[in-house]
Amino acid sequence: DTEVTQTPKHLVMGMTNKKSLKCEQHMGHRAMYWYKQKAKKPPELMFVYSYEKLSINESVPSRFSPECPNSSLLNLHLHALQPEDSALYLCASSLLGTEKLFFGSGTQLSVL
Amino acid sequence: QKEVEQNSGPLSVPEGAIASLNCTYSDRGSQSFFWYRQYSGKSPELIMSIYSNGDKEDGRFTAQLNKASQYVSLLIRDSQPSDSATYLCAVNIRLQGAQKLVFGQGTRLTINP
Repeated sequence: DTEVTQTPKHLVMGMTNKKSLKCEQHMGHRAMYWYKQKAKKPPELMFVYSYEKLSINESVPSRFSPECPNSSLLNLHLHALQPEDSALYLCASSLLGTEKLFFGSGTQLSVL
Repeated sequence: QKEVEQNSGPLSVPEGAIASLNCTYSDRGSQSFFWYRQYSGKSPELIMSIYSNGDKEDGRFTAQLNKASQYVSLLIRDSQPSDSATYLCAVNIRLQGAQKLVFGQGTRLTINP
């Protein structure tokens, strides 16, 4: 299994909603990432988990809350988002944290 | 200076020609360099990685690295319309005490039939 699986593929939510994005990998990778990508821009790093511990938080607003329940799963909990948070949210994983990243297909999020 | 810089393009190349994509980076200590291809509305897909000076070939793709000049490039031979995409250069850079993969702005490549 060489895939990073993200669900849902599309999500529309209101500013008062609470939702979660999910990511799963079974490649034995020990580092997992959340990136945010706006149209025509490169991916921007949000969070990094290394060995299930949060190692990098790129000063992301608290309305985004990451969680790593185990080495294969990564969640991103969303609450009280703003329309400017609409973007493609990408999950990625790597073997130990400094090598090539493998991306999931992403969640296209629209905040109304 | 940005950590990773690319010409955003667009770059237009006729079918069958060689497409040349370039990238410079700021951290002399960087050791890992990657090229990702991203089709519109899709996620980035890793196409090449390179770690030492010189050329690395994989099919129609060749990555070139020159650490002294802090320069990495991607050549696509016999360009096909299906190569039309945005190509992202990514470099592992030490920032604020942590290793992070930093992406360039991406170069939009169009292959004209």
